[in-house]
Amino acid sequence: QKEVEQNSGPLSVPEGAIASLNCTYSDRGSQSFFWYRQYSGKSPELIMSIYSNGDKEDGRFTAQLNKASQYVSLLIRDSQPSDSATYLCAVASSANTNAGKSTFGDGTTLTVKP
Amino acid sequence: GAVVSQHPSRVICKSGTSVKIECRSLDFQATTMFWYRQFPKQSLMLMATSNEGSKATYEQGVEKDKFLINHASLTLSTLTVTSAHPEDSSFYICSAELGTARTDTQYFGPGTRLTVL
Repeated sequence: QKEVEQNSGPLSVPEGAIASLNCTYSDRGSQSFFWYRQYSGKSPELIMSIYSNGDKEDGRFTAQLNKASQYVSLLIRDSQPSDSATYLCAVASSANTNAGKSTFGDGTTLTVKP
Repeated sequence: GAVVSQHPSRVICKSGTSVKIECRSLDFQATTMFWYRQFPKQSLMLMATSNEGSKATYEQGVEKDKFLINHASLTLSTLTVTSAHPEDSSFYICSAELGTARTDTQYFGPGTRLTVL
């Protein structure tokens, strides 16, 4: 089992819809959770970070964390074609040898169709 | 804030030569930087963790004598690909860690695309 798992997709949604991206992790000691967006040929860009159970909203993006169930999700409301990218889930535990070293999922490719 | 730069952005070299890539945190000090490699349509692969003033920690399967990492200051880490071969052609990305152990946020540089002929 991978430490951080994401559905590889591709996930396709129509413009204006809600895109839901999911991520599960295996290390119960994980404390920091991140979502990155990566456009083709570019490096990852941080979108959201979340550390506590519940929802965290930033514009059209909402991150949801449930530590008991060991999952973190990202909702994108009013999806736009410019949201088409690969979304990477990253999880970090301060118990790691290298505190702050994040483990990345393989990413979910999202396509928003006009 | 939290800007990370890489230089060069793109490099083409002949087989057998060495290539140095620089990673700089422009507006913060980074005790820890990370080096990743990404092949087309594949996920990020962590190569090594670079700690200022100490030796880098390499991931399993990454040759430390081939990928030399130096983290001489709190704002600069370098990756040198020695005796590069075509199979080393890839997208190399660095990241720098910002914040306390509680936040552990990584900010990525724009990447360096290496092509070895």
